[in-house]
This record gives sequence, structure tokens and C-alpha cells, in this order.
Amino acid sequence: GQSLEQPSEVTAVEGAIVQINCTYQTSGFYGLSWYQQHDGGAPTFLSYNGLDGLEETGRFSSFLSRSDSYGYLLLQELQMKDSASYFCAQGEPIIFGKGTRLHILP
Amino acid sequence: GAGVSQTPSNKVTEKGKYVELRCDPISGHTALYWYRQSLGQGPEFLIYFQGTGAADDSGLPNDRFFAVRPEGSVSTLKIQRTERGDSAVYLCASSLTGGPQETQYFGPGTRLLVL
Repeated sequence: GQSLEQPSEVTAVEGAIVQINCTYQTSGFYGLSWYQQHDGGAPTFLSYNGLDGLEETGRFSSFLSRSDSYGYLLLQELQMKDSASYFCAQGEPIIFGKGTRLHILP
Repeated sequence: GAGVSQTPSNKVTEKGKYVELRCDPISGHTALYWYRQSLGQGPEFLIYFQGTGAADDSGLPNDRFFAVRPEGSVSTLKIQRTERGDSAVYLCASSLTGGPQETQYFGPGTRLLVL
């Protein structure tokens, strides 16, 4: 079967860096995606890792280690608008984790 | 062009009633997905269309749920004999050609409340 584990909540300070981890178990791996969802909003795509290593997109980066079945999302220079839930997802059909709620303190 | 749109944005119904939820994907996207999201959970896969056909309907919880996409664009999710447990946000997403590596573009969702 497939499952993804991520922390339910993370708190960080504005301007700081935060890392959201995701571990997965799957019989077939198709790469790891990350989505952001603000309260009441739709999930929006952030990043995808098909191969091991780091992918950087502006303030957001995502890392994957297939040998460890592990990935993370790194958010730098945190802004208040980054307060949202973040989901890792993978598979076919795609399975989402339960999400990590990021709280940002001023 | 426009993003994914869903109607209605909110739907309140009574237990046992029938409801239809509509999704308009991004023009030209052949892949269309339906998800259900409960409070504090991630989106839960329901069904995936590739063109007009359901490529994977393994996520539909039971035979009260059915979805169609007759012309390969607009899709309708149909729920018969609604139950209170069906209350959730129903999300639709589309992608250009499908596949787990592609970006999925989500609509704003339909909030369904079954009383």
C-alpha cells in the first residue's frame, strides 16, 4: 500500500527557515510532489522531485532521497502569507499526506 | 486562460437526496481528477479521467458515487442517497496529459453539507 507521514503542525518565526519532512511507504514510486493550501482555498502546486537531490524554486526548495523514502520542503525567509497547510503527495493514483499546518509568528 | 472552476461553491442537502457537482477543467487538459477533502485531512482520491473515460475509479467509496465526462471536458460527480458522512469539500483538478509527475491544477471546491 501507500502512505505518507508528515508532522501535523510546525511553528516558525517570520524571516526564519523551516523544514517540513515527509516519509513515504509505497510499492511503486513516481516522485514526490508538494502542495500548499491556504484555509478555504484550493491546493496549489509548489514542487516536484522525480530524482534524488534538491530542487529550488525561489524561497522554496524540495529535497528527495529515494533510498531513505524521505523528502522535505524547505521554506526560507518566511513571510506571514506562508501560513498554510503543506501536503506531500505521490503515487498513481496520487495519494496525499494529511498535511502539515505551518504557523508563523511575527 | 481561466483556471479550473467548480459549481456550486456550496451545496446543502438533506440525507437521502441526490446531488450533482460540476467541474470545468482548464481548456485542453485531458486529465481530470476528483478528490474529497475532510477537515484536517489531505485530499482523498476518488476518480481519474483520461479524456472521456474513467482511467481509475478505485477511490470511489461505494456505488452511490458516480462520475461522468461525456465530451472529455466538463465532468459531473453524482452522489445518490446522500449520507451525513458524505459532507466534505469535493475538489476537482486537471492536468495537461495526466501522470503522477504532472502539476495538477485544483479548482476552489464544492463544500457539500448533508443534513
